[in-house]
Amino acid sequence: AQTVTQSQPEMSVQEAETVTLSCTYDTSESDYYLFWYKQPPSRQMILVIRQEAYKQQNATENRFSVNFQKAAKSFSLKISDSQLGDAAMYFCAHSKGGGSEKLVFGKGTKLTVNP
Amino acid sequence: EPEVTQTPSHQVTQMGQEVILRCVPISNHLYFYWYRQILGQKVEFLVSFYNNEISEKSEIFDDQFSVERPDGSNFTLKIRSTKLEDSAMYFCASKASGGASDTQYFGPGTRLTVL
Repeated sequence: AQTVTQSQPEMSVQEAETVTLSCTYDTSESDYYLFWYKQPPSRQMILVIRQEAYKQQNATENRFSVNFQKAAKSFSLKISDSQLGDAAMYFCAHSKGGGSEKLVFGKGTKLTVNP
Repeated sequence: EPEVTQTPSHQVTQMGQEVILRCVPISNHLYFYWYRQILGQKVEFLVSFYNNEISEKSEIFDDQFSVERPDGSNFTLKIRSTKLEDSAMYFCASKASGGASDTQYFGPGTRLTVL
């Protein structure tokens, strides 16, 4: 069974600084995908970034980038130049390739951005 | 930009009552999902739906739950006889194709409160 572990229940960062959120996962699949979703206080789930396991290059979306270590089954999210609007719960999620591809989520990391 | 919509935003019901949560997925999407999030906990998969039938369901999705796509636009989750432990945020998601590289887009959620 797939599992996703986020070992940091809470993190804080100063505005304009950089923060890294950790995520590890376990899967026996060779074809899979990894995601980071953001959940602000409104509780809407918003996709931040996506990584295909077959791609060696780390995904980047503006200030958000990942460090994907396939052998270590690690998928951390780096937020650069943190902004007040980045404050939210961040969920790491895993999906198998093919079929219905349900998302399996970690427990989340609550990020606070201090002005 | 197309988005998934859900109604109502908040539903309060008495234990034992039936509730129907409604979702309008993005119009050209083919795969549909329901997830739930009990307050303070991680997001959990309930069910996936494709081609007018359930593709996969979790152990949470017991006989009290059902899903339906009654027309070409709506996707509903019915809970036949609500229990206190059904209180949660319920998220609908949709995806364009069967490949996991396609992102699941989430609706804003329905907060269900069972009294």
